[in-house]
Amino acid sequence: AQTVTQSQPEMSVQEAETVTLSCTYDTSESNYYLFWYKQPPSRQMILVIRQEAYKQQNATENRFSVNFQKAAKSFSLKISDSQLGDTAMYFCAFKGVQGAQKLVFGQGTRLTINP
Amino acid sequence: GAVVSQHPSWVICKSGTSVKIECRSLDFQATTMFWYRQFPKQSLMLMATSNEGSKATYEQGVEKDKFLINHASLTLSTLTVTSAHPEDSSFYICSARDGRGYEQYFGPGTRLTVT
Repeated sequence: AQTVTQSQPEMSVQEAETVTLSCTYDTSESNYYLFWYKQPPSRQMILVIRQEAYKQQNATENRFSVNFQKAAKSFSLKISDSQLGDTAMYFCAFKGVQGAQKLVFGQGTRLTINP
Repeated sequence: GAVVSQHPSWVICKSGTSVKIECRSLDFQATTMFWYRQFPKQSLMLMATSNEGSKATYEQGVEKDKFLINHASLTLSTLTVTSAHPEDSSFYICSARDGRGYEQYFGPGTRLTVT
């Protein structure tokens, strides 16, 4: 079974700084999708960025980018020029392409951006 | 973008009663819907997966007779918590996936408090 591990329960940075959230996963599949979701205090899950495993190029979405290392099964999220609104729980998630294709979530990292 | 709604957003019920939570895909047909449970400061735990017109598939450890899931149409799934007890108090989140199976869209969640 797939597992997703986020080893940083909490992180805190100053506004405008860059922060990197770590995520590792375990799977025997060769093709899959990886996601980073943001859950602000409202608790609405918001998709931040997705990566398709067969694409070597790292995904980017404005201030958000990933470092996808397939061989190492690592998928970190970098937030540049952090803003107060980035304060939230961040979940890394894995989805295979076989079977039920369920999202498997990591434990989450609570990120606080300080003014 | 794709929108998923949940109703109610917050419900308080007495121990022993049943409560129904609705999840609707507003602008797409959801062939698959997922129900998650989230305790404070924890990750999302998948409870069950339902496909339209079929019986739900429950995750190990989830009582199917207690958490009744119905996915009778391509835009509506319901979760009924039967004979609720205080330990069922939690945040319940649904998500929906369209036929392409590429991405899941999340509802805003329902806070259930059992007194």
